[in-house]
Amino acid sequence: DVKVTQSSRYLVKRTGEKVFLECVQDMDHENMFWYRQDPGLGLRLIYFSYDVKMKEKGDIPEGYSVSREKKERFSLILESASTNQTSMYLCASSLEGFGANEKLFFGSGTQLSVL
Amino acid sequence: GENVEQHPSTLSVQEGDSAVIKCTYSDSASNYFPWYKQELGKRPQLIIDIRSNVGEKKDQRIAVTLNKTAKHFSLHITETQPEDSAVYFCAASTGYNAGNMLTFGGGTRLMVKP
Repeated sequence: DVKVTQSSRYLVKRTGEKVFLECVQDMDHENMFWYRQDPGLGLRLIYFSYDVKMKEKGDIPEGYSVSREKKERFSLILESASTNQTSMYLCASSLEGFGANEKLFFGSGTQLSVL
Repeated sequence: GENVEQHPSTLSVQEGDSAVIKCTYSDSASNYFPWYKQELGKRPQLIIDIRSNVGEKKDQRIAVTLNKTAKHFSLHITETQPEDSAVYFCAASTGYNAGNMLTFGGGTRLMVKP
């Protein structure tokens, strides 16, 4: 069974802090994604990566960056956290090729509060 | 870009009744439509998906229908049970590769009353 693990379930940070959200998957998936989940807005894609050191912007990349130095790990970075980045962050992974956008496996999420 | 609207935002049904959640999409090139279920405090999980070359797909008590002309698709749950209570998300994309990003609807909170 695919396991996508996010390092923190809850995180509280102060405005202006640099924040790292970590995600690790154990199924050798090529694709990894970071989504943000807000009530009424569904899931919105921040960034995704289809290979090591490769990244593509999603719908809402502003204020975020990502890092993928190893295939199994995808990090989301908030350079200078702001209160409007308070949200649930979900990491996901999927297999490459036909159907790569199918069957996303999600992590349990990190609820980030920026005070 | 793609815009996906989902209705209703909340839905309350009696156990045993049917539930229907509807989504509309804007990009006529969209051809892949998954549904994800997120139980309280848990991760979203894919429950069913449909491609544009079929009009309906069933899996036990759940079914999805697609109307490409009207650009809408629906999730149908029959004989609802308390464990069906969750938030359901529809999504759409124009292809199957990672670069064809999924656009999600706003979610529907389904409550099944025993």
